[in-house]
Amino acid sequence: GAGVSQSPRYKVAKRGQDVALRCDPISGHVSLFWYQQALGQGPEFLTYFQNEAQLDKSGLPSDRFFAERPEGSVSTLKIQRTQQEDSAVYLCASSPRRGGQPTDTQYFGPGTRLTVL
Amino acid sequence: SQQGEEDPQALSIQEGENATMNCSYKTSINNLQWYRQNSGRGLVHLILIRSNEREKHSGRLRVTLDTSKKSSSLLITASRAADTASYFCATGSRVRFGAGTRLTVKP
Repeated sequence: GAGVSQSPRYKVAKRGQDVALRCDPISGHVSLFWYQQALGQGPEFLTYFQNEAQLDKSGLPSDRFFAERPEGSVSTLKIQRTQQEDSAVYLCASSPRRGGQPTDTQYFGPGTRLTVL
Repeated sequence: SQQGEEDPQALSIQEGENATMNCSYKTSINNLQWYRQNSGRGLVHLILIRSNEREKHSGRLRVTLDTSKKSSSLLITASRAADTASYFCATGSRVRFGAGTRLTVKP
């Protein structure tokens, strides 16, 4: 079946521009996660949705970062007034529901590589 | 903050050898997961071990968990060039990752 997809795969933005990154999770997956991965580092948690509810946004680095999942499926991560330190790979992951409880195993998309000039 | 921390940061071995990498974490966990990330590709889940398990196998992978020491190890037996990747441990439902172990398997 189809996995998690993300678009665009690559994005180059000028400093100060706004960007929107899209994630299509695996159909039926309840949980959706966004991560930021800097070069040579592990992914850093940004935010978590269960269906349309954003249950944890503790990892968002500033109020320039905003995520939404209005219908509980597709999610968009928006970064306003991009800065050079926002350059990273942004990974989306989804997780199925099993036995009535969210499971912990996550399925990752290929990521969006954002470069801010 | 990242929950898991992998050790060593980098490991280089010959094809056919075994590779062992370790993970330490700080707080109590329900489970611990290992992921692999090939260059230019996304993260792939390898194996999950629950806090009440001590050892788990999956193909050429063997994972151990010692909750008293808050540590886990991942053993890859009979390594192949295709195993070259970064390996991450992660804990918790929010899945906090360490910085990873970069494994290079030379043909």
